[in-house]
Amino acid sequence: DVKVTQSSRYLVKRTGEKVFLECVQDMDHENMFWYRQDPGLGLRLIYFSYDVKMKEKGDIPEGYSVSREKKERFSLILESASTNQTSMYLCASSLPGQGATGELFFGEGSRLTVL
Amino acid sequence: ILNVEQSPQSLHVQEGDSTNFTCSFPSSNFYALHWYRWETAKSPEALFVMTLNGDEKKKGRISATLNTKEGYSYLYIKGSQPEDSATYLCALKAAGNKLTFGGGTRVLVKP
Repeated sequence: DVKVTQSSRYLVKRTGEKVFLECVQDMDHENMFWYRQDPGLGLRLIYFSYDVKMKEKGDIPEGYSVSREKKERFSLILESASTNQTSMYLCASSLPGQGATGELFFGEGSRLTVL
Repeated sequence: ILNVEQSPQSLHVQEGDSTNFTCSFPSSNFYALHWYRWETAKSPEALFVMTLNGDEKKKGRISATLNTKEGYSYLYIKGSQPEDSATYLCALKAAGNKLTFGGGTRVLVKP
């Protein structure tokens, strides 16, 4: 059974803290993505990665960075958490290229609260 | 940023009734249209990936149609059941590997 695992389901952090959200997939997918989900706004892409050590900005990268040192792992980093980063964060992976599907496989999400 | 819109934002359906809702998107640079179902406390799961104008896909009681020329897709649920309660997300794939998601339609099926 294919799986995308996010390290923490719930986190509570204080403003200014450094936050790491980890994501691991066991499908040998090249592509990995980080989204955030806020009510009424759908999923918004923060960063994505096509391959190890490759990263590209999504639509809302400000305040975030990422790391992809191994193919199966994609980390999202909040260098200095702020209250407007309180959100549900979803990691996803997919096969590469302009293939007919390109469907995303998602983790269960990490709900982050920044106080 | 591409504008993908879903309507309505939420709807309540009586068990056994059928329902449908809409995803609209810019028709230029179209590559694929995805539908996902996201149940509470679970991961979003792909329902359909549609690429051709006029595509119709079906999975059990759920089906979807696609019109790429006018930029919309409908999702239908026939004979709704409580287990159909979820948020349904559509997402547009244009150039590249990125998907742009709509805001979702939250469906609540009342027994």
